[in-house]
This record gives sequence, structure tokens and C-alpha cells, in this order.
Amino acid sequence: QVQLKESGPGLVQPSQTLSLTCTVAGFSLTSYNVHWVRQPPGKGLEWMGVIWNTGGTRYNSALKSRLSISKDTSKSQVFLKMNSLQTEDTATYYCARDSGVMDAWGQGASVTVSS
Amino acid sequence: IQMTQSPSLLSASVGDRVTLSCKAGQNINNYLAWYQQKLGEAPKLLIYNANSLQTGIPSRFSGSGSGTDYTLTISSLQPEDVATYFCQQYNSWTWTFGGGTKLELK
Repeated sequence: QVQLKESGPGLVQPSQTLSLTCTVAGFSLTSYNVHWVRQPPGKGLEWMGVIWNTGGTRYNSALKSRLSISKDTSKSQVFLKMNSLQTEDTATYYCARDSGVMDAWGQGASVTVSS
Repeated sequence: IQMTQSPSLLSASVGDRVTLSCKAGQNINNYLAWYQQKLGEAPKLLIYNANSLQTGIPSRFSGSGSGTDYTLTISSLQPEDVATYFCQQYNSWTWTFGGGTKLELK
């Protein structure tokens, strides 16, 4: 059964770094790409970036200077790090498997940026 | 690539045929997906490659279109279809979503 689950701090202070983990089950990170997508409260979906099965990455140009995605294949985990957080980064953060399209999503991790 | 959905809000009755639209800023070669997001839940894939139904999705959902213009149709609206629907293009090596259509019961 394919599963993805995001984890991380629910609260981050402004200017600090957000670190999230996506733990997957039911498939291998050597065979599938994984995306990060976020959604501010009451708003739409924003693609953040992807890590390919090969380990390469591609980022949304609007976030590229602040964002890093990596993975530990042996632990079935994908990591997101984003620095210089501001209040507008408050959102639910999702990871999603890519089988050519985002066919499976995690439940989401709610992150609030506030002092 | 910018994706524009219309309408932003749609009210319909149970049993109605419902049509949601999505327009791309350029030809996306049918690399178009539709997602359903119910309140408090993650998005769920409904349609991929513009017209292919994801496994397990009811056949009342269908997708069509080509080039820059795409449509999601629900043939007979059910109460459980109340949700926000997003289109997404994956033609270029960046992924973009439309702003969403919120579907409610009249």
C-alpha cells in the first residue's frame, strides 16, 4: 500500500529555517520522483520542487534561493529545508509521489510562521 | 505556464451535469490532471493525461480537451462530490496548478 507522511514542527519563527520530512512506504525512492506542494490557508496549491529518483532536483523559481530538497533512500525519507521563513510561508505542506503524475499524496503538515 | 480555472465558484443540484473549465497559457499537449480536494483533506487524483480516469474513480467523472482548453465533467452530481477541483499542467519541467473551482450544492 502506497503511503506518504509528512512530519515536522508546527510552528516556526520568522527568519528561521523550516525542516520537513516525508516518510514513504509501499514504493522505492529509487523508482519514483517525489514532489513538495504547499497550500496557504484558504488558498490554492503551489508546486515547490521535485527530487528525481536519480537524486537530481528542480525547484520553483520563486523559491529556488531558499529551498533545498534531499533524500535518504535507505530510510525511505525525503527532506525539505527552506530558510528565511516569513508569515506568508504559513501553509500546509504536502509531499506527493510522481508516477508521471502526482498519484499519491501525504496527509499534509501544517506549518505556522509566527513569533 | 499559467493555468486559469473557471468558474471559481459553482452551485449545482444533485443529479446535475456539471462542467468545470481550465485554460492553459500555452499548448500543454494533454499533460493535464484534475484533482479533487475535500475540506481538510489532501488532493486526490481524478484524471490524468486530460482524459484518463484514475483507478478507483467513479465513471461519472470524465475529462476532455486539447491544446490549451480542458474540461472536467461530472455527469450526475452526487453529494459527496462537494469539493474544490484543481487542474494541473505537467507539460514543462515545472508544474503549475489552476486557482481551483469550488463546487457546492444548490
